[in-house]
Amino acid sequence: DAGVIQSPRHEVTEMGQEVTLRCKPISGHNSLFWYRQTMMRGLELLIYFNNNVPIDDSGMPEDRFSAKMPNASFSTLKIQPSEPRDSAVYFCASETQGEQFFGPGTRLTVL
Amino acid sequence: SQQGEEDPQALSIQEGENATMNCSYKTSINNLQWYRQNSGRGLVHLILIRSNEREKHSGRLRVTLDTSKKSSSLLITASRAADTASYFCATDQAGTALIFGKGTTLSVSS
Repeated sequence: DAGVIQSPRHEVTEMGQEVTLRCKPISGHNSLFWYRQTMMRGLELLIYFNNNVPIDDSGMPEDRFSAKMPNASFSTLKIQPSEPRDSAVYFCASETQGEQFFGPGTRLTVL
Repeated sequence: SQQGEEDPQALSIQEGENATMNCSYKTSINNLQWYRQNSGRGLVHLILIRSNEREKHSGRLRVTLDTSKKSSSLLITASRAADTASYFCATDQAGTALIFGKGTTLSVSS
């Protein structure tokens, strides 16, 4: 198995632009998580899905952030419009039997 | 809200020495997990200890859990330069997602 796949690996965009991050979880894993990591705030849970249904989105910082999971093999995290303070590494993770498997992350820089 | 808090924030040791990291948490848990993160990479699961377990081993890793003190420790024995990474504890409460601490940054110099 290739593990959790995220794309793009790096994204540089300008303030105000829409950003879409993508994640393919490990096949057979029922839960998917989106995290954001910065030096200042550490690893923050943004939202997680169970069987494609959003369970807890209380970590989503603002209405500018939205996440979807249209099927068991794909999820997106969208930021519209993006702001410089959104610059961070965004991780996707899928879970089985309580253990989470992380993707390599997307490093987002908003200028 | 932060559940697990690792201590120390940073640790520097020489190769061959043991490294001990601690984690404290606030509420009852089902299990506690330790993850490792190499620079620029995603987190990797190391070990899971359930609330009814007191100690667990995996290779050079030893994890203890004291539910009465709401604390856990991760011991890495005979450290190697390749152990240089950040280590996070994560707690699993019923009905919630894992909650990660801010991590301990370990530097092992040769």
